[in-house]
Amino acid sequence: AQSVTQPDIHITVSEGASLELRCNYSYGATPYLFWYVQSPGQGLQLLLKYFSGDTLVQGIKGFEAEFKRSQSSFNLRKPSVHWSDAAEYFCAVGVRQAGTALIFGKGTTLSVSS
Amino acid sequence: DGGITQSPKYLFRKEGQNVTLSCEQNLNHDAMYWYRQDPGQGLRLIYYSQIVNDFQKGDIAEGYSVSREKKESFPLTVTSAQKNPTAFYLCASSQDTPGTEAFFGQGTRLTVV
Repeated sequence: AQSVTQPDIHITVSEGASLELRCNYSYGATPYLFWYVQSPGQGLQLLLKYFSGDTLVQGIKGFEAEFKRSQSSFNLRKPSVHWSDAAEYFCAVGVRQAGTALIFGKGTTLSVSS
Repeated sequence: DGGITQSPKYLFRKEGQNVTLSCEQNLNHDAMYWYRQDPGQGLRLIYYSQIVNDFQKGDIAEGYSVSREKKESFPLTVTSAQKNPTAFYLCASSQDTPGTEAFFGQGTRLTVV
């Protein structure tokens, strides 16, 4: 069965510093991969997604993610973090089959210090 | 504006009572989902539905029930059999096509006292 691991429960980054959030997946083939962001008490907003092709994916709010098949990873990056980026971030996996739901990691909480 | 509407945002119920959470979408999506979110647990799938009048259990379906009588609506009932119902509940929808992203509602926070 497929699974998603986000190794970091909580990360604190200084404003203006770079950010990398880790995501590893377990799946027999290349999955569809997603990063979502959630502000407290809110729903989830899609940041970016990978289906195929270029392994470096650009998203909204200046985020990007790189798919590395050899490492089964899909890490999220941002060159310069803003205080408004403080939120919870979820990595999700979708399989190449209709009638299935996304599987989510447990999330990483990002705090931004001034 | 197209989107997913969950209501109410906050819900309080006494232990032993059933409660129904509403989810409506006007995105014309075929598939709809219910997830439960607890601190440190991520999102766990309760039920999902690909088409009207059909739905499948997710990983934590015990103590929950759903219906899908209309394409736009996918209500979730938390029954008295659910041992620990206090949580944040998220409804989502998507096209039933592999790889399409899910769109989420704003969630309902259920507190059972």
